[in-house]
Amino acid sequence: AQRVTQPEKLLSVFKGAPVELKCNYSYSGSPELFWYVQYSRQRLQLLLRHISRESIKGFTADLNKGETSFHLKKPFAQEEDSAMYYCALADNTDKLIFGTGTRLQVFP
Amino acid sequence: ETGVTQSPTHLIKTRGQQVTLRCSSQSGHNTVSWYQQALGQGPQFIFQYYREEENGRGNFPPRFSGLQFPNYSSELNVNALELDDSALYLCASSSDRGMGGYTFGSGTRLTVV
Repeated sequence: AQRVTQPEKLLSVFKGAPVELKCNYSYSGSPELFWYVQYSRQRLQLLLRHISRESIKGFTADLNKGETSFHLKKPFAQEEDSAMYYCALADNTDKLIFGTGTRLQVFP
Repeated sequence: ETGVTQSPTHLIKTRGQQVTLRCSSQSGHNTVSWYQQALGQGPQFIFQYYREEENGRGNFPPRFSGLQFPNYSSELNVNALELDDSALYLCASSSDRGMGGYTFGSGTRLTVV
């Protein structure tokens, strides 16, 4: 079955600390993976996608097919990173399968 | 702010009623998807339209139906509302069937009483 798992509902760190938001997936084909972010009172928006191998706002994510993971990382968290983060997988019909999300809280 | 516009923002309906939610996609986006997001959950895929034809459907009953119009606006219709249909309904559009990522609307909060 196709599934995206985000094991942490809440992740709290202090400003300047490293951040890793975990995402594991289950998919039989070749997945397209994304991270979406929702800041307070804003709409869900694309943060990054694995196919572009880009770094956005200091965040990176590497697809590890062996571990079926797509963890989101940032070396030094900022207060403005506080938000809800969703990992998502696009299947071969282009629909997105979302995880349950992880709330990141960055304390000053 | 340009992008995807949804209406209404909030709606209260009675069990058994029917509801239509509307979405205006970003200009040039030929793919639109609808998602249901229950409290504390990630968005769940309802269905997708590509160039006015249904292009995929999630695990939702037939009383959830949709339309996409030539101007790329779309509708989500839900018949015989149930209490469990209470959720945030999100519309998302893309120009390339989602590979470049979807642009999401702010959602319609539906409450069924």
